[in-house]
Amino acid sequence: QKEVEQNSGPLSVPEGAIASLNCTYSDRVSQSFFWYRQYSGKSPELIMSIYSNGDKEDGRFTAQLNKASQYVSLLIRDSQPSDSATYLCAVVEMNTGFQKLVFGTGTRLLVSP
Amino acid sequence: GAVVSQHPSWVICKSGTSVKIECRSLDFQATTMFWYRQFPKQSLMLMATSNEGSKATYEQGVEKDKFLINHASLTLSTLTVTSAHPEDSSFYICSARLGTGVNTGELFFGEGSRLTVL
Repeated sequence: QKEVEQNSGPLSVPEGAIASLNCTYSDRVSQSFFWYRQYSGKSPELIMSIYSNGDKEDGRFTAQLNKASQYVSLLIRDSQPSDSATYLCAVVEMNTGFQKLVFGTGTRLLVSP
Repeated sequence: GAVVSQHPSWVICKSGTSVKIECRSLDFQATTMFWYRQFPKQSLMLMATSNEGSKATYEQGVEKDKFLINHASLTLSTLTVTSAHPEDSSFYICSARLGTGVNTGELFFGEGSRLTVL
């Protein structure tokens, strides 16, 4: 199984600041990348998907993808205390006949009021 | 987003008993569903890929005779933990993929089922 790596954190930012979450992956042929948010004791919820190099913006969230560097990031602008959660990077791993989603260990984000 | 419902949300059972967890896609048909397990402070680990009408594909190290998966319809997959032991206590999460193309791999997750085996 290919690897998806994230800094476990916690990443602490003050309310209103920009939070930057990073992820690297090892499977060079991966084409689909996702960011999920997981609150403690809950299941993950999809925040962003990105498939092409560059930036993709959705509200306060911006996903950035650099396939050459095998790097994907998530920026959260105007961070709010409600953004405090674990953010999981996920990469579709290509196997013969099917795909599967491989998750990183997640980065815990703490936004202080 | 698509809705995936999982039941029960939590279950406590005695060692040696079997527990069944259901996963339903409520507003779309899911040819493929995925079962994950998450231990405290760890990431999600894929257990198996459940394919409608065929046998599940298990990840290395996951015992198929212990974790029985049935995907009898396009909206329902079940995971049965047989002869559960305390080490099986975990958070089990199902998910279904919306779309089938290479660039439509978004997974939507059920609420998760927390299993505690005494």
